[in-house]
Amino acid sequence: EVQLVESGGGLVQPGGSLRLSCAASGLTFSKYWMHWVRQAPGKGLVWVSRIDGDGGSTTYADSVKGRFTISRDNAKNTLYLQVNSLRAEDTAVYYCAKQVGSGYFFDHWGQGALVTVSS
Amino acid sequence: QSALTQPRSVSGSPGQSVAISCTGTSSDVGGYNYVSWYQQDPGKAPKVVIFDVSKRPSGVPDRFSGSKSGNTASLTISGLQAEDEADYYCCSYAGSNTWVFGGGTKLTVL
Repeated sequence: EVQLVESGGGLVQPGGSLRLSCAASGLTFSKYWMHWVRQAPGKGLVWVSRIDGDGGSTTYADSVKGRFTISRDNAKNTLYLQVNSLRAEDTAVYYCAKQVGSGYFFDHWGQGALVTVSS
Repeated sequence: QSALTQPRSVSGSPGQSVAISCTGTSSDVGGYNYVSWYQQDPGKAPKVVIFDVSKRPSGVPDRFSGSKSGNTASLTISGLQAEDEADYYCCSYAGSNTWVFGGGTKLTVL
């Protein structure tokens, strides 16, 4: 059974940084593209970033480009999101999601990690 | 990367059918047959109910169906049941390895 477990969320001051992790199990992690999707409190889902299987290719939403960095360690079966220069509007639950191997949708999601940006 | 447009809310009685629209542009919904729909219960992670416009993952009831015409995709739920009450989000591949979600629709079963 595929499991994705996020960690690393918390309260951070504006301008601060945080690294989110997503530990994956039950799959050959390196075979799959992985994503981060966020959801502000009471708001909708927003796609944030994607990384390919070997970590050599990444893409970002315009709203986070230059501030967020997605990466992965396939030896540790772990996905990361380094979030810098945080703003109040980055406050959200951050989900990691697995892209299906032969398609363009997300077939497994983690439970989410809450990031709160506040002074 | 503008969000796809969905109605804020829809409602229906048990046994009825409801449709949720998702409007994008020729750069996302209209340009690719890669629209997916996600069901999200409060406080839970999303779950895919439709992918590639109209395909259902195993385990999703055939009451759920999807379609697309031009830049607008639709999710139809027939034979509404109380357990279908949730938030629903469309998502489309938008080219250049980017994706875009809709703003979400709250489905109320009356």
